[in-house]
Amino acid sequence: GENVEQHPSTLSVQEGDSAVIKCTYSDSASNYFPWYKQELGKRPQLIIDIRSNVGEKKDQRIAVTLNKTAKHFSLHITETQPEDSAVYFCAASKKNDKIIFGKGTRLHILP
Amino acid sequence: GAVVSQHPSRVICKSGTSVKIECRSLDFQATTMFWYRQFPKQSLMLMATSNEGSKATYEQGVEKDKFLINHASLTLSTLTVTSAHPEDSSFYICSATDGANVLTFGAGSRLTVL
Repeated sequence: GENVEQHPSTLSVQEGDSAVIKCTYSDSASNYFPWYKQELGKRPQLIIDIRSNVGEKKDQRIAVTLNKTAKHFSLHITETQPEDSAVYFCAASKKNDKIIFGKGTRLHILP
Repeated sequence: GAVVSQHPSRVICKSGTSVKIECRSLDFQATTMFWYRQFPKQSLMLMATSNEGSKATYEQGVEKDKFLINHASLTLSTLTVTSAHPEDSSFYICSATDGANVLTFGAGSRLTVL
């Protein structure tokens, strides 16, 4: 089955700098890659997603890139702000199939 | 947007009792719902996939007789933790898909077994 690896497990960046979280997946048939943000004690919230027919997608300060050949995808957050502090999960799935999550990255934005 | 309601948000029970958690899609029909478990500071681990009108598909290592899943309608799935023990204490989160891969999560249920 699908296996999703996520790095780093913890990331601290200075406010205003960029943060990058990287994930790899194992099943070449996976074609949907969402990213979720989870604040302490709350449910995960979808922040951006990408499908395998697209190499890059951007939404304001958040962007996701996908390299299907290498089975890599990454989350980029620019101009980080204190409210970006949270745990971020990458995930992968095939159409209408279960979504498998990475282990998460705890992002700390330093003042 | 899609909304998933999950109840109860918190439950405390005695060891040996059973607890039922409900997951409802409020504004869409969810042919498939997923149940995840999340231990403190860990990722979401998929427990089972619930399809309306059929038996749930459990992930390896998840006891189907202990975690009973029922998906009786297109808007409701329930998870019953039977004969709960302290090691079952966790955050249980349901999610539902509208069939377009977009996964919407419930608010989660924090189970504490004394």
